[in-house]
Amino acid sequence: AQSVTQLGSHVSVSEGALVLLRCNYSSSVPPYLFWYVQYPNQGLQLLLKYTTGATLVKGINGFEAEFKKSETSFHLTKPSAHMSDAAEYFCAVRGTGFQKLVFGTGTRLLVSP
Amino acid sequence: DAGVIQSPRHEVTEMGQEVTLRCKPISGHNSLFWYRQTMMRGLELLIYFNNNVPIDDSGMPEDRFSAKMPNASFSTLKIQPSEPRDSAVYFCASRGDSNEKLFFGSGTQLSVL
Repeated sequence: AQSVTQLGSHVSVSEGALVLLRCNYSSSVPPYLFWYVQYPNQGLQLLLKYTTGATLVKGINGFEAEFKKSETSFHLTKPSAHMSDAAEYFCAVRGTGFQKLVFGTGTRLLVSP
Repeated sequence: DAGVIQSPRHEVTEMGQEVTLRCKPISGHNSLFWYRQTMMRGLELLIYFNNNVPIDDSGMPEDRFSAKMPNASFSTLKIQPSEPRDSAVYFCASRGDSNEKLFFGSGTQLSVL
């Protein structure tokens, strides 16, 4: 079975500051890992994903995440926050083959001027 | 492509009434997922289909909930009878066979009074 834990239901940063959203996963098989973003009144959109290969994954809007097997982590980062980054971010995990995507509880990112 | 289409966008009903939520997946996608999102429980997978067949419905909360996918282009989630605790945003998502990315609809905001 797979699961993800997102540390911190809310993260507040100033515009221009580093964004770090934490995600740890548990999986009995090699995981596929995802970060999704949800803007108000919208569905989720894929930011980036890790399946195999390079452990540092770059996504849209300047976000990136690094798969660290030894730490079972897949933290999301962005060097400089923009006001438009304010949203809820979900980490998700799926095993190989046809399996359901399991989401974390989400982290709301607040960006102040 | 118009993306995943859900209807209605908003639904307000009285306790005890039947509610039917509709979803049209992206053409060519063969996997369809129903999620429920609440403040208390976050994003929960209710059921998912592959090639119109329900694969895992363990997330369906109780017998009041049922889902169907009569063909590749349409799915329904029905709640009968509805209760106030069913109030949530219900998302439909679809995925292609060789694509790990989930595409989400805009959701149906359900309020049961």
